[in-house]
Amino acid sequence: EVQLLESGGGLVQPGGSLRLSCAASGFTFSSYAMSWVRQAPGKGLEWVSAIRGSGESTYYADSVKGRFSISRDNSKNTLYLQMNSLRAEDTAVYYCAKDFDMMIVVAAFDYWGQGTLVTVSS
Amino acid sequence: DIVMTQSPDSLAVSLGERATINCKSSQSVLYRSTNKNYLAWYQQKPGQPPKLLIYWASARESGVTDRFSGSGSGTDFTLSISSLQAEDVAVYYCQQYYTTPLTFGQGTKVDIK
Repeated sequence: EVQLLESGGGLVQPGGSLRLSCAASGFTFSSYAMSWVRQAPGKGLEWVSAIRGSGESTYYADSVKGRFSISRDNSKNTLYLQMNSLRAEDTAVYYCAKDFDMMIVVAAFDYWGQGTLVTVSS
Repeated sequence: DIVMTQSPDSLAVSLGERATINCKSSQSVLYRSTNKNYLAWYQQKPGQPPKLLIYWASARESGVTDRFSGSGSGTDFTLSISSLQAEDVAVYYCQQYYTTPLTFGQGTKVDIK
């Protein structure tokens, strides 16, 4: 059974940093691209970042480029999101999500974690 | 960026009736070399993560009831729920994965009339 478990969320002041983690199990982690998708309270879904299975390529939304960094440790089956220079508008539930197709670079998502809430406020 | 626009923003349908949600992309998401539309549909219930319903615009995800179907090509797509059940009350999103940044529609809330 595929499982994705996020951690690392919490309350942080504007300008601060957080690192989110996503522990994956139940599939060959290194074979699939992974993404972070966020959802602000009461709002829709926003893709944040993606990384190929090998970790060789990363992709970012313009809203986080230069502030956030995605990475993965395939030996630990874990995905990360380092978030720096946080702003109030980064407040959201952050989901990690698994690509449904290992043959394409970045895709739709067949498994999602339950999410971790990041609140940026003074 | 490819902008995804859903319509309507919300709809209320009687139990057992058909619900139809539209999604329009600002540019084609049909990849000519594979003849596939890079378009997915999700269902999200309150307090839960999204659930993949449809990928490649019309392929139903394993375990998804056949009451859900997807259609369309190029820039215009439709998600249909053939006979609305109480458990289908949710917000539905379309998403393109033709190119980064991946983008979602704004969501359509489906309720019971």
